[in-house]
Amino acid sequence: AQSVTQLGSHVSVSEGALVLLRCNYSSSVPPYLFWYVQYPNQGLQLLLKYTTGATLVKGINGFEAEFKKSETSFHLTKPSAHMSDAAEYFCAVSEDGNQFYFGTGTSLTVIP
Amino acid sequence: GAVVSQHPSWVICKSGTSVKIECRSLDFQATTMFWYRQFPKQSLMLMATSNEGSKATYEQGVEKDKFLINHASLTLSTLTVTSAHPEDSSFYICSARPNRLASSYEQYFGPGTRLTVT
Repeated sequence: AQSVTQLGSHVSVSEGALVLLRCNYSSSVPPYLFWYVQYPNQGLQLLLKYTTGATLVKGINGFEAEFKKSETSFHLTKPSAHMSDAAEYFCAVSEDGNQFYFGTGTSLTVIP
Repeated sequence: GAVVSQHPSWVICKSGTSVKIECRSLDFQATTMFWYRQFPKQSLMLMATSNEGSKATYEQGVEKDKFLINHASLTLSTLTVTSAHPEDSSFYICSARPNRLASSYEQYFGPGTRLTVT
């Protein structure tokens, strides 16, 4: 069975500081991994995804994530937080592209 | 591109009534759409996979007769919550996978519909 764990339901960082949002997964087969962002009253927007190939994946808005199979992790990072990054972030895993299993989400607050 | 809309964005209904939620892909065709349910502070849970022209595939534990799904065209899927009860109150989100990206495993999400049953 697949599952996703996001450590920290709330994360606060200062503007300009490093953003690190953690995601660990369990999967019986090589998974497809995703990070989505949700702004208030909006749908989920894809930030980045890992399917195959390079384990360091770059996404939109300066975010990147690294797939570490040995640690079953797919942590999301951004070197310098911006006020506009404040949102809810969801990590998701899928084995077949149909069933997506989401984490409980991490709310990111950026302090000016 | 790749915009998905939902209507209504929020709805309040009385217990025992039925509510229909629409999910539209505005600028692409989608043979496959998905319906999720999200409780406060919890994950999105996949309810069913909607396939154009055929019956939906429901996840274990989801009542088919309560959550009716119709996918009559390549741009529209509907979810009808029948005989709604307060415990059906939730945030319902749909997603669609563009046919042209069927191999990329990407899904585009709608903004969600908040259902409150009184």
